[in-house]
Amino acid sequence: GAVVSQHPSRVICKSGTSVKIECRSLDFQATTMFWYRQFPKQSLMLMATSNEGSKATYEQGVEKDKFLINHASLTLSTLTVTSAHPEDSSFYICSANYVPEAFFGQGTRLTVV
Amino acid sequence: QKEVEQNSGPLSVPEGAIASLNCTYSDRGSQSFFWYRQYSGKSPELIMSIYSNGDKEDGRFTAQLNKASQYVSLLIRDSQPSDSATYLCAVNIGTGAGSYQLTFGKGTKLSVIP
Repeated sequence: GAVVSQHPSRVICKSGTSVKIECRSLDFQATTMFWYRQFPKQSLMLMATSNEGSKATYEQGVEKDKFLINHASLTLSTLTVTSAHPEDSSFYICSANYVPEAFFGQGTRLTVV
Repeated sequence: QKEVEQNSGPLSVPEGAIASLNCTYSDRGSQSFFWYRQYSGKSPELIMSIYSNGDKEDGRFTAQLNKASQYVSLLIRDSQPSDSATYLCAVNIGTGAGSYQLTFGKGTKLSVIP
């Protein structure tokens, strides 16, 4: 299958700081990538759809000014959690379409202290 | 609202038994169906895809699709403790021309008891 690489796998940051998470498609081009958040023992929640060369589409209830998404190339999308707070601590996962399938990055465990 | 429904479980089966995981979906126009496995603390990995009615087998896994009933299932034969994970059903909901987005069910937690 296609490979999606996500970095970093773990990050601990102080409350009020910003954190950037990268998602790369290593062996294919992805015009669309997706960002998910998963709290412990809960299901995947789609946060936003990242579109190369255009603005991201956010799901209802997701603050676009807090979760900044940039998809500047066909192989890279970034998610920046701005002014992070402890309630933002979660497992963030990206995926990219290699139609008709979708492949996931390894995930990023964010802990805000 | 286009939905994908799964029984959350937990589903417990003894080692060596057949585990049966079920999923229903609401969008009759869906064409692509997937099963992902997610171990605790890890991201989902694709284990099966199915696009036409009937059965598709891959090793110990069999996916079954019935579009008329809007039902897709995953059978795991000879279940092993290493199969213990959450299984996510995903369906392409087809949001429009040129777009492609998967909708996930909430997942069924499977425990295989040694």
